[in-house]
Amino acid sequence: SQTIHQWPATLVQPVGSPLSLECTVEGTSNPNLYWYRQAAGRGLQLLFYSVGIGQISSEVPQNLSASRPQDRQFILSSKKLLLSDSGFYLCAWSAGAPPVTQYFGPGTRLLVL
Amino acid sequence: DQQVKQNSPSLSVQEGRISILNCDYTNSMFDYFLWYKKYPAEGPTFLISISSIKDKNEDGRFTVFLNKSAKHLSLHIVPSQPGDSAVYFCAASAYSGAGSYQLTFGKGTKLSVIP
Repeated sequence: SQTIHQWPATLVQPVGSPLSLECTVEGTSNPNLYWYRQAAGRGLQLLFYSVGIGQISSEVPQNLSASRPQDRQFILSSKKLLLSDSGFYLCAWSAGAPPVTQYFGPGTRLLVL
Repeated sequence: DQQVKQNSPSLSVQEGRISILNCDYTNSMFDYFLWYKKYPAEGPTFLISISSIKDKNEDGRFTVFLNKSAKHLSLHIVPSQPGDSAVYFCAASAYSGAGSYQLTFGKGTKLSVIP
């Protein structure tokens, strides 16, 4: 069966510091991968998605970036965090063909102070 | 422009009764619809889905109904249990090109099942 991991679970970072969140998927090959953010009291906002190694599409302009160095690894980064980057970050995977159900990881809660 | 709308931010239901969560969408290109359940500080869990070629899909206590002409779907939970208390997200899928199918989420409805 497929499993998706995210770490760290919780992160407190000062403004201006760098960020690296990691997501890995087990039990599947060539998945589509996604990064979402859920701000307090709001829905899920798609940040990035990837259909293959090195292929990243950005949905929202911001100071975050994503990379996919390996087939089942997805990384969310920032060079300098802003206060507005605080939120709950979720990684998800789906098969590359329909049905397109996305399966989510446990999430990372990021607090920028 | 919000393409997927969940107009009720919250819903309270007595244990054992039916919970009905509603969702409206505007994009006629959506062809697959999903419901997710989310507990605080956890990732959403997939519950049930329905293709646009169907009008009903059932899985145990959960049934999703799709009315394409009204661009409306609903999730029925019968009977409701206290463990169903969570935030429920409606999502809709459309092909976004280059092999990717993106989901558009509603803002969620918080369901509280009262014992």
